[in-house]
Amino acid sequence: AQKVTQAQTEISVVEKEDVTLDCVYETRDTTYYLFWYKQPPSGELVFLIRRNSFDEQNEISGRYSWNFQKSTSSFNFTITASQVVDSAVYFCALSDRKLIWGLGTSLAVNP
Amino acid sequence: EAQVTQNPRYLITVTGKKLTVTCSQNMNHEYMSWYRQDPGLGLRQIYYSMNVEVTDKGDVPEGYKVSRKEKRNFPLILESPSPNQTSLYFCASSPRQVSYEQYFGPGTRLTVT
Repeated sequence: AQKVTQAQTEISVVEKEDVTLDCVYETRDTTYYLFWYKQPPSGELVFLIRRNSFDEQNEISGRYSWNFQKSTSSFNFTITASQVVDSAVYFCALSDRKLIWGLGTSLAVNP
Repeated sequence: EAQVTQNPRYLITVTGKKLTVTCSQNMNHEYMSWYRQDPGLGLRQIYYSMNVEVTDKGDVPEGYKVSRKEKRNFPLILESPSPNQTSLYFCASSPRQVSYEQYFGPGTRLTVT
């Protein structure tokens, strides 16, 4: 069965701390895609990254980085030197034959 | 500017009064979808469309209808809204199918009393 688990419901950090958001997925397919989306307090959903199952290279974009490990079925998201503007709900999603969403992790970055 | 637009952004209505939430995208995307977001339940797909005149049910289609007569538009219709349809609704589009990233509209907050 397909499933995406974001075990951390809420995380609270102080500005400049590093924080990792966990995402564990289940799928029987060998070809699939993984995504992260951000939902800031204003409510819109913003695409962050898409990764296919054949590309296990880690990705870095500024303060954001993603660690994809097929061996542990995980696609974790790290924010380095967090800022207040990073406060949001972050969703992980899996796409094989359909799109499956995790329930999200609410990140609060406090000044 | 590439975008997905939804209207209205906020709507308060009464039980049983038919309503339509419009969704339009200007990116020539084939795939469009409607989601509802409820606290503790995350995003749940209502309906999706792979292309013009091709629509299919998502995970929670009961009480909703959609149509895709033009590529750019994908309206969501609630023929007889009920209070359990009070939610935040998002329209999304994607170049093709679900293996591509989706671009979301700003959301429509619907309250049914």
